Amino acid sequence: QQPVQSPQAVILREGEDAVINCSSSKALYSVHWYRQKHGEAPVFLMILLKGGEQKGHEKISASFNEKKQQSSLYLTASQLSYSGTYFCGTDSGGSNYKLTFGKGTLLTVNP
Amino acid sequence: EPEVTQTPSHQVTQMGQEVILRCVPISNHLYFYWYRQILGQKVEFLVSFYNNEISEKSEIFDDQFSVERPDGSNFTLKIRSTKLEDSAMYFCASFGGRTYEQYFGPGTRLTVT
Repeated sequence: QQPVQSPQAVILREGEDAVINCSSSKALYSVHWYRQKHGEAPVFLMILLKGGEQKGHEKISASFNEKKQQSSLYLTASQLSYSGTYFCGTDSGGSNYKLTFGKGTLLTVNP
Repeated sequence: EPEVTQTPSHQVTQMGQEVILRCVPISNHLYFYWYRQILGQKVEFLVSFYNNEISEKSEIFDDQFSVERPDGSNFTLKIRSTKLEDSAMYFCASFGGRTYEQYFGPGTRLTVT
């Protein structure tokens, strides 16, 4: 079953912050976040493993609430280059490590 | 930095024709995947491949699809008889089994006419 992302779309002005959420009805082993620009491949941003660890990457960070099977991606002081569709991919811990993706959140950052 | 490569970048074919999409995963990776993305939709899992065999496949991956790793570097997806609904972007991905990060190739856009 696919994870549910919210919001579906968000429009920001440069410098504003955003939070993108990803929730699953299944127990998760890991959550992977990707950004995809139009016509390009998804680009890996970060992975969160079971254990609730929060990861950071410059102005983009994420958290994983294992009990709620939820992850949130935090984008602070957004830049124009942050525009794109953000997907969360979840792994429920099977031996194949396949990812099940949400429908994506379209983020538009305007000057 | 090592990367996943895919060829061709765009393939146009007629309905009923066979196509082979090629991927070269990152060299020390052990797990290989094909995903597809219909225009404007989410990325969908097709098949995973480990230890020279399919480890899992989705319901999309029917008898018309097959995968091979013929020579230890290439990883191919074959569609035997293409349908209009096979038109999509096909992504190959791989990961090494240690860091859990899956890296995607640039994709092959398949257009079936």
